[in-house]
Formats: sequence, structure tokens, C-alpha cells
Amino acid sequence: DAKTTQPPSMDCAEGRAANLPCNHSTISGNEYVYWYRQIHSQGPQYIIHGLKNNETNEMASLIITEDRKSSTLILPHATLRDTAVYYCILFRNSGNTPLVFGKGTRLSVIA
Amino acid sequence: DGGITQSPKYLFRKEGQNVTLSCEQNLNHDAMYWYRQDPGQGLRLIYYSQIVNDFQKGDIAEGYSVSREKKESFPLTVTSAQKNPTAFYLCASSRRRDQETQYFGPGTRLLVL
Repeated sequence: DAKTTQPPSMDCAEGRAANLPCNHSTISGNEYVYWYRQIHSQGPQYIIHGLKNNETNEMASLIITEDRKSSTLILPHATLRDTAVYYCILFRNSGNTPLVFGKGTRLSVIA
Repeated sequence: DGGITQSPKYLFRKEGQNVTLSCEQNLNHDAMYWYRQDPGQGLRLIYYSQIVNDFQKGDIAEGYSVSREKKESFPLTVTSAQKNPTAFYLCASSRRRDQETQYFGPGTRLLVL
């Protein structure tokens, strides 16, 4: 079972910021928060990850609360091409356990 | 170009028939994975391999088999024992030390006739 909780769907207006929440109240100290997205009928794509600090790259920003029990993925200026299912995944880099994907959040960007 | 290729894009299987899905990568990754995705669902892990000539069962391995004779190849066979094989199959690879950063292929959609 996935250890994260995400809303099943969200809408966002094109050009606005999309804020996708993820709850992970049972996160362990050595677990990272990873975000992937899957555009319809394609393979998932890595977006960003973090441990404690907020992270930013060319695709998105990741905000992790101080207690690490929740996080938010931010797409600063959503476009129609950002319409996809977004997965929030916890991962402990032990080298033995692969990723566990939940059902994710279906983000619809509306013109 | 570096990446992961899967073939075919669509595959039709008759009842009682075994079929093999191809997955090739030229990223020099040690680890490779097979996932299954049903409509509206997340990905479920079938098998994974962290090194050549070694592989482990995932959450739903029954009815499937794999081999890892070469680093760049990880074919998946859907056997007749898999009673509900219609799904979208995704192959992925990663560096062994960075298994959280997986790169996915385009997928194969398997349909049973």
C-alpha cells in the first residue's frame, strides 16, 4: 500500500500556479519525497525530489513542511501540456526496494 | 539517442497463448523494472532486476516470467497462467545506486482476443 495520500483530481487554469498536495504522516526520517507525473498513455516522468529542504528545478518546486508530514508540488505556470496524473512517492534509498506508485492526482489544466 | 524502447506498442494475445514484451535500454543502467497499469490505477510492480542474471518478484509476479541475460535487455513473458493480462505494461531502468530515479519506456498495451 502506498504511504501517501493525494486528492484524486484537481483543476487548474492555464497560466496559474498548480499546487498539488500530498500527505505522508508516517514518513520515516530517512525517506525522501519523490514526484513523478504520467501523461496519458505514456510512461511516468521524474519531476523532483527532496528530504527536508524545499527544492526547485526547471520543472517545479517542492515544499516540504517542517514536520515532514506533508508536501506540496508547485507548477508555477501551468500549461495544457501539464495535464497528467501526478504521483507522490516515499522512497528510502536502501538500494533494495523499488518505487511504490499509488493512484496519484489527476491534474486537468483548463484553457 | 539514449533511452528505453519497448516493442510492440500494441500486442494482441489469444487465449492460452504466451507472449513476450521487449524492453531495451542504452543508458548503461544496472537496474530494470516491469510494471503493470490498469485503467484508472497506479503502477504495480511485476518483476525487477538489479543486475544481470538476477531478478526478484514484485507485488504481482504470478503468471509472468522474465530473464536478464544482458544488461540492456529485460524481456517480460506473459504466460497463459495470467488470467487477466489485458493492461498497459511499462518498463523502466535506473542506476543501481539511484533506484528512485527511474526512466520509463513508452509502454506496451496488451489486449486479449
